Amino acid sequence: DAGVIQSPRHEVTEMGQEVTLRCKPISGHDYLFWYRQTMMRGLELLIYFNNNVPIDDSGMPEDRFSAKMPNASFSTLKIQPSEPRDSAVYFCASSGRRTGELFFGEGSRLTVL
Amino acid sequence: SQKIEQNSEALNIQEGKTATLTCNYTNYSPAYLQWYRQDPGRGPVFLLLIRENEKEKRKERLKVTFDTTLKQSLFHITASQPADSATYLCALYMDTGRRALTFGSGTRLQVQP
Repeated sequence: DAGVIQSPRHEVTEMGQEVTLRCKPISGHDYLFWYRQTMMRGLELLIYFNNNVPIDDSGMPEDRFSAKMPNASFSTLKIQPSEPRDSAVYFCASSGRRTGELFFGEGSRLTVL
Repeated sequence: SQKIEQNSEALNIQEGKTATLTCNYTNYSPAYLQWYRQDPGRGPVFLLLIRENEKEKRKERLKVTFDTTLKQSLFHITASQPADSATYLCALYMDTGRRALTFGSGTRLQVQP
């Protein structure tokens, strides 16, 4: 298996623009997680899905952020409109169990100017 | 409030020595704890999991202890090598509620040859 695949690896955009980050989880994993990592706040959970259904989105910072999982092999995290404080590395991870080890992608580094 | 604390200062040790990293938590009653390794520009990689009813877990040169009375986990790397240089993250999971894995901010380990 190729592991968790994220795209793009790097994104530079201007404030106000829409950003879409994509994730393909490991086949057969029922859980998908979106985390955000910054120097100041470390690795923060944004949202996670079980069988394509959002279970806990309490970590989503505000209404500008939205996440979807239309099928078992694809998820998106959208920021609209983007702001400079959204600059961070966004990680997607999947797992076969909510309590199991997480398999992380390589991350999407977002810079909002 | 709930907090996971890892030493934010880098740990520098000589090759061959044992590295010991600390993870302290407050206001948690975790069901288990995980340790991850993260290299620069990469996603975290799972290393070890220890449950609340386990005192110690080993895997090759790695050893994790879990003291629920002290609310602390220690992560040891014996016979350290320069290739062990990375940031190490601890993460907690509680079996109540719907929250997923919560991560500490990590400790950077530098092993000098």
